[in-house]
Amino acid sequence: EDKVVQSPLSLVVHEGDTVTLNCSYEVTNFRSLLWYKQEKKAPTFLFMLTSSGIEKKSGRLSSILDKKELFSILNITATQTGDSAVYLCAYSNSGYALNFGKGTSLLVTP
Amino acid sequence: DVKVTQSSRYLVKRTGEKVFLECVQDMDHENMFWYRQDPGLGLRLIYFSYDVKMKEKGDIPEGYSVSREKKERFSLILESASTNQTSMYLCASSSLGVYTGELFFGEGSRLTVL
Repeated sequence: EDKVVQSPLSLVVHEGDTVTLNCSYEVTNFRSLLWYKQEKKAPTFLFMLTSSGIEKKSGRLSSILDKKELFSILNITATQTGDSAVYLCAYSNSGYALNFGKGTSLLVTP
Repeated sequence: DVKVTQSSRYLVKRTGEKVFLECVQDMDHENMFWYRQDPGLGLRLIYFSYDVKMKEKGDIPEGYSVSREKKERFSLILESASTNQTSMYLCASSSLGVYTGELFFGEGSRLTVL
């Protein structure tokens, strides 16, 4: 059965810390892995990863996919309180829909 | 910008009532989805539609039905609401494509069934 597992489930850090969020997957017909950020409302898209070893960056956020070891990481450097959110990992395979992990809840304290 | 609009942000209903959740997207997307989100369970797919009048069951379709009469609109129907359907409901849309994993989400509808 296809699945995606995120770790840790929750995390509390201080402003300025660097955090690494993990997402491991077991998926047949894998196409892509996606990261979303969810504050109190709609999840917003961060990254889509299809190729192994190619880092994607957006400001202080970056992500990379390892298709051999079947995982992805999301890094956030110099965290700010505005980074507090639930971070969702999801995979796309041969179907139409995305299949989500349970999320990592990140709290950044001042 | 893609806009996915869910008509009701907060609803309170009684057990046994029929509930309609409406979702409209303005980007001419072929695919539309309904997920529910619960603490500790993440997002789970209820139903999706890849074309007008077409629908497919997701992982948890029991107790729900859907309607897609127009391309831009996808409705989720709870025929007889129950307390275990208290949840956050998220609508999403995406365009057709080979590597088009990205979904665009609405703001969510928080349903409480008493």
